[in-house]
Amino acid sequence: NAGVTQTPKFQVLKTGQSMTLQCAQDMNHNSMYWYRQDPGMGLRLIYYSASEGTTDKGEVPNGYNVSRLNKREFSLRLESAAPSQTSVYFCASSVASAYEQYFGPGTRLTVT
Amino acid sequence: GEDVEQSLFLSVREGDSSVINCTYTDSSSTYLYWYKQEPGAGLQLLTYIFSNMDMKQDQRLTVLLNKKDKHLSLRIADTQTGDSAIYFCAESSDYGGATNKLIFGTGTLLAVQP
Repeated sequence: NAGVTQTPKFQVLKTGQSMTLQCAQDMNHNSMYWYRQDPGMGLRLIYYSASEGTTDKGEVPNGYNVSRLNKREFSLRLESAAPSQTSVYFCASSVASAYEQYFGPGTRLTVT
Repeated sequence: GEDVEQSLFLSVREGDSSVINCTYTDSSSTYLYWYKQEPGAGLQLLTYIFSNMDMKQDQRLTVLLNKKDKHLSLRIADTQTGDSAIYFCAESSDYGGATNKLIFGTGTLLAVQP
């Protein structure tokens, strides 16, 4: 039981490049989330998915798109990366209406 | 909108008690949480408290909630060097809905000196 896994662990992009961050969970959770973590700002919700086939915007969705590929996988796409998207990205999952979110180890992204 | 605030840094000596404080603005918060983040890792839930409780104790951890002042604290007794980490306070007002969206504080870096 791996929990929540994320790939890649590190990535450097040039401004304007695109990439997809992958997230998978093996806990049969319904809900999945993408957060970004910036110094002095805590974690901010980018997008979430209440269940397979649904996605909704969080606090900071601009510049991102998401896909809930199936119940296990939730990907985050940057179509045209900008330096302001330099951050650590965390994926999380939870059983809908349960109290605990389980977090992946994070992806550290630098955009130059 | 909702806001959660924490002090940025706390330094204590090994064996002392640590108290990490948090204030929040959303009076409809249902659950309040404490998460721990060790260097290079994701967040791990430490403990949580329901809004109709004043206190919760779990081994070395004590959570106190003052709903009137919207103040939450986490006390760690007999702090060890392994407790050095960033501690995040978070609140949820969406519990029981389709998702459990959390609002996180900025995090408090706890440094434990041997």
